[in-house]
Amino acid sequence: GDSVTQMEGPVTLSEEAFLTINCTYTATGYPSLFWYVQYPGEGLQLLLKATKADDKGSNKGFEATYRKETTSFHLEKGSVQVSDSAVYFCALSDLSNTGKLIFGQGTTLQVKP
Amino acid sequence: DAGITQSPRHKVTETGTPVTLRCHQTENHRYMYWYRQDPGHGLRLIHYSYGVKDTDKGEVSDGYSVSRSKTEDFLLTLESATSSQTSVYFCAISESRGAGELFFGEGSRLTVL
Repeated sequence: GDSVTQMEGPVTLSEEAFLTINCTYTATGYPSLFWYVQYPGEGLQLLLKATKADDKGSNKGFEATYRKETTSFHLEKGSVQVSDSAVYFCALSDLSNTGKLIFGQGTTLQVKP
Repeated sequence: DAGITQSPRHKVTETGTPVTLRCHQTENHRYMYWYRQDPGHGLRLIHYSYGVKDTDKGEVSDGYSVSRSKTEDFLLTLESATSSQTSVYFCAISESRGAGELFFGEGSRLTVL
């Protein structure tokens, strides 16, 4: 079945460092792809999404490009802040048209001042 | 913020007891989902609903049942709780079944002793 694989964490960076969190997926069709973020003690919230190949999603300085040829959707940010410390989840849409998402295992990011 | 309320937010119970978690939404969204979050597994779908009295199973539905008698309420029931059901449970809602955004509640932490 469809699945999402993320790089294992935790990822620890200094403030203003460059961030990459890898995400690859397996799907029989062409799903939409998402990055969600979970701040401590909260639920998940959508960070960005891309609905077709070569689309770039972006929000709050974060970017990810839908790469069909490598089945990847890596999350990047040029300069992280302490406030970016959170758990990041990559997800894809289930093509059964029920709206449900399939999530990766999550990557914890800790940014130190 | 999407109007989603989960209750209870924290619960400790003993093996073999029944437990019901409630998700209440004020957005009138058609689709509702129950996920569980466990370390190393990300979020996994338990059950979902695509309308009043219309529900279906997700990937980890064994030991769980759901009901949706009103648009705004989606109940998750553990008929006889086990220690393996210790987890954080998240409710999510969606307006459409396309590549839409899921809005999450703040989670319910359940501990089964």
